[in-house]
Amino acid sequence: EVQLVESGGGLVKPGGSLRLSCAASGFTFSSAWMSWVRQAPGKGLEWVGRIKRNTDGGTADYAAPVKGRFTISRDDSKSMLYLHMNSLKAEDTAVYYCTTDYGYCTDGICWGGFFDPWGQGTLVTVSS
Amino acid sequence: DIVMTQSPDSLAVSLGERATINCKSSQSVLSSSNSKKHLAWYQQKPGQPPKLLIHWASTRESGVPDRFSGSGSGTDFTLTISSLQAEDVAVYFCQQYYSTPPTFGGGTKVEIK
Repeated sequence: EVQLVESGGGLVKPGGSLRLSCAASGFTFSSAWMSWVRQAPGKGLEWVGRIKRNTDGGTADYAAPVKGRFTISRDDSKSMLYLHMNSLKAEDTAVYYCTTDYGYCTDGICWGGFFDPWGQGTLVTVSS
Repeated sequence: DIVMTQSPDSLAVSLGERATINCKSSQSVLSSSNSKKHLAWYQQKPGQPPKLLIHWASTRESGVPDRFSGSGSGTDFTLTISSLQAEDVAVYFCQQYYSTPPTFGGGTKVEIK
């Protein structure tokens, strides 16, 4: 069974840092692109960023609101995905979901994908 | 960024009746390289993560009841629930994955009338 389990959420003051983790199991993690998607309380879904598999370059892309503050990394040996969040703002308050991204590269062009499955999410609250 | 606009924001449908949700993209999400529409639909029930229902605009995920169907052109898409069941009460989101950043519609809340 494919499973994604996030951890590391909590209450942090504005300007603080936090690292979220996502433990993956039930599939070949190293072959997968992975994304983080967040959902502010009572709001819609917002893509945060993705990291490609190493055979596609292993690079990460970020949404404009988090670029320069958030970093996505992966440890394929442990089937772990991470989201390092710095300079946190109140507007970063959300449930953060880890999800498998069905992106791929072909003929030198990379395409992002749909998301399946999703973890249960971890809540990050940024407040003084 | 491609803006995804869903309508209506909410709708109430009687059990057994049809529910139709619309999603419009600010530019085409039809790829000329693979002739596929880069559009997905998700269902989110309270307290749960989103669940993928449909990708490539009309390909239903394994295990998704066939009362759910997706259709559309390069910019206008529809999710149809042919006969609403009580367990279909949820918020539904569309998402384009044609370009980065992937973007979602604002969601449509489906309730029982």
